[in-house]
This record gives sequence, C-alpha cells and structure tokens, in this order.
Amino acid sequence: KAGVTQTPRYLIKTRGQQVTLSCSPISGHRSVSWYQQTPGQGLQFLFEYFSETQRNKGNFPGRFSGRQFSNSRSEMNVSTLELGDSALYLCASSLAQGYNNEQFFGPGTRLTVL
Amino acid sequence: DQQVKQNSPSLSVQEGRISILNCDYTNSMFDYFLWYKKYPAEGPTFLISISSIKDKNEDGRFTVFLNKSAKHLSLHIVPSQPGDSAVYFCAALLYSNYQLIWGAGTKLIIKP
Repeated sequence: KAGVTQTPRYLIKTRGQQVTLSCSPISGHRSVSWYQQTPGQGLQFLFEYFSETQRNKGNFPGRFSGRQFSNSRSEMNVSTLELGDSALYLCASSLAQGYNNEQFFGPGTRLTVL
Repeated sequence: DQQVKQNSPSLSVQEGRISILNCDYTNSMFDYFLWYKKYPAEGPTFLISISSIKDKNEDGRFTVFLNKSAKHLSLHIVPSQPGDSAVYFCAALLYSNYQLIWGAGTKLIIKP
C-alpha cells in the first residue's frame, strides 16, 4: 500500500507570495492532519480534515487555510508569506478521526521563504 | 504556553546502554500519550503509546512509563542500537477534541 505522499518536497518562495501544498493520504484513510515543524518548536498542529470537513484547528492565523477533496486528498494554502513561515510542513493520515487511530506521516514539504 | 515539554534537545548514549527520553505535561486531562520517532527527511513514525489509565506499556526494546502525579512520562530503550539515532517526539491527546499536542522533540544519538 502506498504511503502518504506530499508535493512538492521542496519549495522556495518570497515574502508576500502565496503557496499551496498537497497531500495524498493512504488509500482508504479519510482523516488528514497538517502540522508545521520548526526547529525547537516540535510539531505545531494546523488543522484536521475528515470527510471534507475541517474538524479541528490549531492556533494559526487566517493566512493558513486548507481543504479536503472527496477523494480525501488535501491541500494547504498559506497566503502573504512571512519569513517565519519557513518550516517543514507535514501531513498525516489516519483511517478515521481520532488519534488512537495511528497516524501515518508523509515526508513533508520543506518551505523556505526569502 | 507549551503543554507538552521535552526539556532535553539532545541526548547521547553509548550503544548497548539504556536510553531514557523524558516528557513533562501540564494538562492533567490528557487521555493518551504517544511517542513518535523521526529520521531526517522523513515524516515521524509511531513508536509506542500509553493510555492515561495505565502506568507502563512495553513493546520489545521500548517501554513507556507514565507518572500521572508528576505529570511525567518517559521512554526507555534497552539496549540502544545505532538505528535508534533519531528525533523522538512525545505527544498528548485529549479525547474531547482529538487534538494531539506535541513536544519539541529530543535528538537521540547512539554512539558506537
């Protein structure tokens, strides 16, 4: 079974631009979560989608948004990029909502904002 | 305010010895705790978990201990192997909102 895939793997943008990241969950998984990882901050939860609905949201500004499609694929968008948005963005999928369902992570998208 | 803290950014252990990774939390309502392991250029992978109603869970070389009164959990790896070199994340879950709260991670280095 193919794992979680994220595209692109690396991205360089400049301040003020916007970016869209994509995540394809494991086949059959309906829950997709997004995380931001920065050095020293661990994984910061962005949001979780289940059956095309946002079920949970972390403490990030409205510049960060996402959506999930009927095939469970998810996209995350960041508008008006800031230098501090440089990070590794991780997507995780699980069979259902709830984390006693094991989450499987993709390799991440490394975003650099110049 | 970090609800889950891993106060050691890194830890170096001799191969064959015990590695002990620590995690402290502030919210006594957490229901479940998980440990994830992350290699460079890869996403985290689930390692072991423990329910808040238990105080120990063991899986092969990995054991997690939970001390609820101290709001502390630890991951023991015995014996440590070179392949254990990675960043270890502690995470806590509230069933009420199914949100995982993550620690900052501890980089474990196993010396040959």
